[in-house]
Amino acid sequence: NAGVTQTPKFQVLKTGQSMTLQCAQDMNHNSMYWYRQDPGMGLRLIYYSASEGTTDKGEVPNGYNVSRLNKREFSLRLESAAPSQTSVYFCASTYQFEQYFGPGTRLTVT
Amino acid sequence: GNSVTQMEGPVTLSEEAFLTINCTYTATGYPSLFWYVQYPGEGLQLLLKATKADDKGSNKGFEATYRKETTSFHLEKGSVQVSDSAVYFCALSDAGGSYIPTFGRGTSLIVHP
Repeated sequence: NAGVTQTPKFQVLKTGQSMTLQCAQDMNHNSMYWYRQDPGMGLRLIYYSASEGTTDKGEVPNGYNVSRLNKREFSLRLESAAPSQTSVYFCASTYQFEQYFGPGTRLTVT
Repeated sequence: GNSVTQMEGPVTLSEEAFLTINCTYTATGYPSLFWYVQYPGEGLQLLLKATKADDKGSNKGFEATYRKETTSFHLEKGSVQVSDSAVYFCALSDAGGSYIPTFGRGTSLIVHP
């Protein structure tokens, strides 16, 4: 039981490049989330998916898109990366109100 | 809307000292309350939880009691270790139907030998 997995672990992009962050969970959870964590800012919700087939914006959705590919997978896409998107990105799923987090992707945009 | 306020850090302690990290919340309804811990370079993981008033959550020597009258869920440990150095997040999930949990900003704990 791997829990929540994220790929890649580290990524460096140049401004304007695109990339997709992958997330998968093997716990059969309905709800999945993408957060970003910046120093002094805590966790900020980017997008979430309450169930397969639905996605909704969180607090900071601008510059991002998401796809809930199936019940297991929830990807986050940066179409045109900007230095302001340098951050640590966490994927999470929820069961009975408890959140299960992945190990994070550390993204640097130069 | 819901909110969680926790004390700002960093909290710096010597090994074997007593720890308290304050957390207060605002919520409609009857939320579940959580403490998550984040060790350096890792994701958050659940430390303990409480689902109703007067419940006490405990794990790894940490405790927190759900106090509805003071809307608080303070984290305590009687004797901290260097290995407890981490960032601690207080959070709530509203059983009223929202899929979005509310997190505090996190409190960094540094324990010196």
